[in-house]
Amino acid sequence: AQSVAQPEDQVNVAEGNPLTVKCTYSVSGNPYLFWYVQYPNRGLQFLLKYITGDNLVKGSYGFEAEFNKSQTSFHLKKPSALVSDSALYFCAVRDKGPSGAGSYQLTFGKGTKLSVIP
Amino acid sequence: DSGVTQTPKHLITATGQRVTLRCSPRSGDLSVYWYQQSLDQGLQFLIQYYNGEERAKGNILERFSAQQFPDLHSELNLSSLELGDSALYFCASSLDKGSGRTGELFFGEGSRLTVL
Repeated sequence: AQSVAQPEDQVNVAEGNPLTVKCTYSVSGNPYLFWYVQYPNRGLQFLLKYITGDNLVKGSYGFEAEFNKSQTSFHLKKPSALVSDSALYFCAVRDKGPSGAGSYQLTFGKGTKLSVIP
Repeated sequence: DSGVTQTPKHLITATGQRVTLRCSPRSGDLSVYWYQQSLDQGLQFLIQYYNGEERAKGNILERFSAQQFPDLHSELNLSSLELGDSALYFCASSLDKGSGRTGELFFGEGSRLTVL
């Protein structure tokens, strides 16, 4: 069964500093990996995804993530944090399903609360 | 705006009651997913429907059921409600066909259920 681990419940970073939110995954075969962000009382918003190709993926709001197959990691990064980045971040993995339509369960980590301190 | 619509946004009910949550997916999306988010359990996958058929089942209780209608909207029915069912219920949609098989899910704003 596929799984995702986000080892940190909370990450605190000063505004303007780089931030990293960690994620490791376990899946059979090649993974599809995603990062989502959730602001208070809102739904999840898609940030970026890794399907194949370049290990460094760029996404929305200046975020990027680095896929590392040997370490089964997909850490979310941003060079300079903003106070408005404070939110709950979820890493997710989606198994590469069979060809054609099928079942594609997206498994989420427990989330990491990011607090950017002014 | 993700294009996924969920109603109602808030719902307060009593133990033992039954409620129905409704989801309209993005235009053209064939799959609908239901997730439950609670403080202690995180984001739990409940069930997926693809073009009207159940395709994947997660941690969905027997008291809960769902369906997807011909117009692709979906309903999640929760019955014999317990205090522990209080949570945020999200619907998400995705194309899940052709090149859209690698696509992300688009989430609605959720339905917050409070069971008293």
